[in-house]
Amino acid sequence: NAGVTQTPKFQVLKTGQSMTLQCAQDMNHNSMYWYRQDPGMGLRLIYYSASEGTTDKGEVPNGYNVSRLNKREFSLRLESAAPSQTSVYFCASNPGQGNGEKLFFGSGTQLSVL
Amino acid sequence: RKEVEQDPGPFNVPEGATVAFNCTYSNSASQSFFWYRQDCRKEPKLLMSVYSSGNEDGRFTAQLNRASQYISLLIRDSKLSDSATYLCVVNMGGYIPTFGRGTSLIVHP
Repeated sequence: NAGVTQTPKFQVLKTGQSMTLQCAQDMNHNSMYWYRQDPGMGLRLIYYSASEGTTDKGEVPNGYNVSRLNKREFSLRLESAAPSQTSVYFCASNPGQGNGEKLFFGSGTQLSVL
Repeated sequence: RKEVEQDPGPFNVPEGATVAFNCTYSNSASQSFFWYRQDCRKEPKLLMSVYSSGNEDGRFTAQLNRASQYISLLIRDSKLSDSATYLCVVNMGGYIPTFGRGTSLIVHP
């Protein structure tokens, strides 16, 4: 049982380049999330998808777009990367019954924007 | 004011010590509470849920104080392997878990 799979694990971009972070879960979860983590800042929510077909902004959505491709997959796109987007990105999922279940995390993507 | 606040530490304690962390939250309607552990920028992993009546898992005890809007984590008989960052997570209703910034614990010999 793979759980939550994120790709890539590491990425270096130049300012202005675009890329998509991929996330897939095999637990039949309804809700999926993208967080970023910066030193001293904890995890901040970028976007989430409460269920297939819906997406909503989190705390720090600027500069990002998301796609909930199907129930399994939730991708995060940087259209024009900026150095401020250098961070560690985590995808997470949970059953999504709306009453606060625990989160299951992917192993993270270390992104550097030069 | 951040919705979920934690003392970042670090808490530097000797092996065998007892250490406690608190986490305060701003939304009185918050419904569920968790402690996660994170090692060296790896993914967070659930340590324990926090129940209204308090709960214990081995050396770890979690408590919730709704009146004062905080949760706590107590670690007894600290081990070197307990060194990590402890993240408080509060679900304020619906689908959005909110993280504190984490508390760093260093257990030394």
